[in-house]
Amino acid sequence: GAVVSQHPSRVICKSGTSVKIECRSLDFQATTMFWYRQFPKQSLMLMATSNEGSKATYEQGVEKDKFLINHASLTLSTLTVTSAHPEDSSFYICSASSGGLGHEQFFGPGTRLTVL
Amino acid sequence: KNQVEQSPQSLIILEGKNCTLQCNYTVSPFSNLRWYKQDTGRGPVSLTIMTFSENTKSNGRYTATLDADTKQSSLHITASQLSDSASYICVVGASGGSYIPTFGRGTSLIVHP
Repeated sequence: GAVVSQHPSRVICKSGTSVKIECRSLDFQATTMFWYRQFPKQSLMLMATSNEGSKATYEQGVEKDKFLINHASLTLSTLTVTSAHPEDSSFYICSASSGGLGHEQFFGPGTRLTVL
Repeated sequence: KNQVEQSPQSLIILEGKNCTLQCNYTVSPFSNLRWYKQDTGRGPVSLTIMTFSENTKSNGRYTATLDADTKQSSLHITASQLSDSASYICVVGASGGSYIPTFGRGTSLIVHP
């Protein structure tokens, strides 16, 4: 199946700093990428949906100025957590879709963010 | 509001036994239903995908069923293995302009030797 990578896999940062997470589709063109956050023992919560070349659509309650999403190419989307705080510590997962039959989503391995 | 409910929340079984996980949904208009397996600290991996017209689909020891009338799905795992220990997530997609997935909370399965 299609492969989606995320970088970094783990990041620890100080409160107030910004952190960028990359999501890449390695062997297909992703017209749509999704960003999720997952707290321990909870389900994935959709944060935003981004289509290549256009602004991301954020879910209710997700601050677009805090979680900056850029989907500049068909193989790369980035999520930047600005002015991170300890409550932003979570597991961030991206998924990518080529928009084909069934809108199959291929998930990345996730990024564990810890804000001290 | 679109919702996906999974049960049980957690399940412990012995290696070699079978088990069935449930997923009930209220998603409209329905597009498809997927079951994912998520190992701890990893991204979800797709097990099966079913559309409206399909009522059963298998992937090795995993068999998913779908009853579109009652809006229920199940995932049956046969002859469980220790590596089946994971969270199993039911995701129902809505159509209509853009594809919108709704995630269940998942069932945490632990397989003991």
